Amino acid sequence: EAQVTQNPRYLITVTGKKLTVTCSQNMNHEYMSWYRQDPGLGLRQIYYSMNVEVTDKGDVPEGYKVSRKEKRNFPLILESPSPNQTSLYFCASRAGLAGLSTDTQYFGPGTRLTVL
Amino acid sequence: AQSVTQPDIHITVSEGASLELRCNYSYGATPYLFWYVQSPGQGLQLLLKYFSGDTLVQGIKGFEAEFKRSQSSFNLRKPSVHWSDAAEYFCAVGPFLSGATNKLIFGTGTLLAVQP
Repeated sequence: EAQVTQNPRYLITVTGKKLTVTCSQNMNHEYMSWYRQDPGLGLRQIYYSMNVEVTDKGDVPEGYKVSRKEKRNFPLILESPSPNQTSLYFCASRAGLAGLSTDTQYFGPGTRLTVL
Repeated sequence: AQSVTQPDIHITVSEGASLELRCNYSYGATPYLFWYVQSPGQGLQLLLKYFSGDTLVQGIKGFEAEFKRSQSSFNLRKPSVHWSDAAEYFCAVGPFLSGATNKLIFGTGTLLAVQP
């Protein structure tokens, strides 16, 4: 089954304690991205990756890092989490690369993060 | 700047009644338009998408949407709502070429409640 998986699904942590949210897709997609969802703001892109070792900032990258060492995985790293990073995070992937693409973007189930 | 507006934050309908969720976008060219649904505790599922051609598109779960260029709208409709349709619905436009992010821009969502 084609899917995007994220782990953990729920996480409560404290300020400053480094954490990683994993994202994996089994569709051999080249494009992957991370979004955060906040009430009243919809989804906003954090980082994206066009392919292995190719990543770039989205709209709200501050406080986050990503890596793309393998095509299927795109972890989101919070080196020093703060309470304003409490949010619902979604990983997404798509086959198409640069340029307008008609390929559908697939989303993971989400990771609900609370930073105390 | 590109943007998506969902004017209704919360809508309540009775089971069996018809539904229309509004979406307006701001974009300088013909956009690619999407509707996603997020059920409680779940990720985002694509309901339907519009790229070109027939302006009335059919999606899953009995939903349809109509692209109206003159009104910059892409409203989602369903003739008879089921209790299982209770969820949050997001309209999105994209992907955009700026910085090759291929990101989607999401509206802030409409939360649908279904009364028995």
